[in-house]
Amino acid sequence: AQKITQTQPGMFVQEKEAVTLDCTYDTSDPSYGLFWYKQPSSGEMIFLIYQGSYDQQNATEGRYSLNFQKARKSANLVISASQLGDSAMYFCAMRELLNNNDMRFGAGTRLTVKP
Amino acid sequence: KAGVTQTPRYLIKTRGQQVTLSCSPISGHRSVSWYQQTPGQGLQFLFEYFSETQRNKGNFPGRFSGRQFSNSRSEMNVSTLELGDSALYLCASSLAAGRVNTEAFFGQGTRLTVV
Repeated sequence: AQKITQTQPGMFVQEKEAVTLDCTYDTSDPSYGLFWYKQPSSGEMIFLIYQGSYDQQNATEGRYSLNFQKARKSANLVISASQLGDSAMYFCAMRELLNNNDMRFGAGTRLTVKP
Repeated sequence: KAGVTQTPRYLIKTRGQQVTLSCSPISGHRSVSWYQQTPGQGLQFLFEYFSETQRNKGNFPGRFSGRQFSNSRSEMNVSTLELGDSALYLCASSLAAGRVNTEAFFGQGTRLTVV
């Protein structure tokens, strides 16, 4: 069964506007971690932000914030003030404590920032 | 601090051949994971090594194998190459294993083309 679901294959946003990339996950493990990565055309995966299942507050890192809704099992990435350099693939990923703990990824969302 | 280094960056092989890819993790990192990325299947987990032992293995045929050396460097081998093995192979290193908050640092990948 798919553990991480990203339902938006592609998204467009105007430069300087905010954009939300969706991610839902499936787990019965009470302890898990959620990650977002950015993959530019060069191929390297760049870590953006982390949210733990027991974290009370939504994670923030500069222009990135994570809208964590535990009951809905969603962990949406919000990018504020989009820049042209934000154009890339974005992946949501999860580690579960009990289920082998390896990092599993969603299918990704291709974000294009328009000037 | 040097990042994750993968060699070679590009590789072209013929069906039936075998190939070995190399990954040098960040200094001090003991966990190395391998992923296969294709347009159709996305990022798929191959295996994870920690302290020279395979911790986890994804759902890939036995033609895919790996190992980790005492200096944490890792190699993955694919034997009897098939056209479908053409992909970007990503290596990720982590400081530890078995924790949900462990960030993975990725290399730039090896792009393998099988002809």
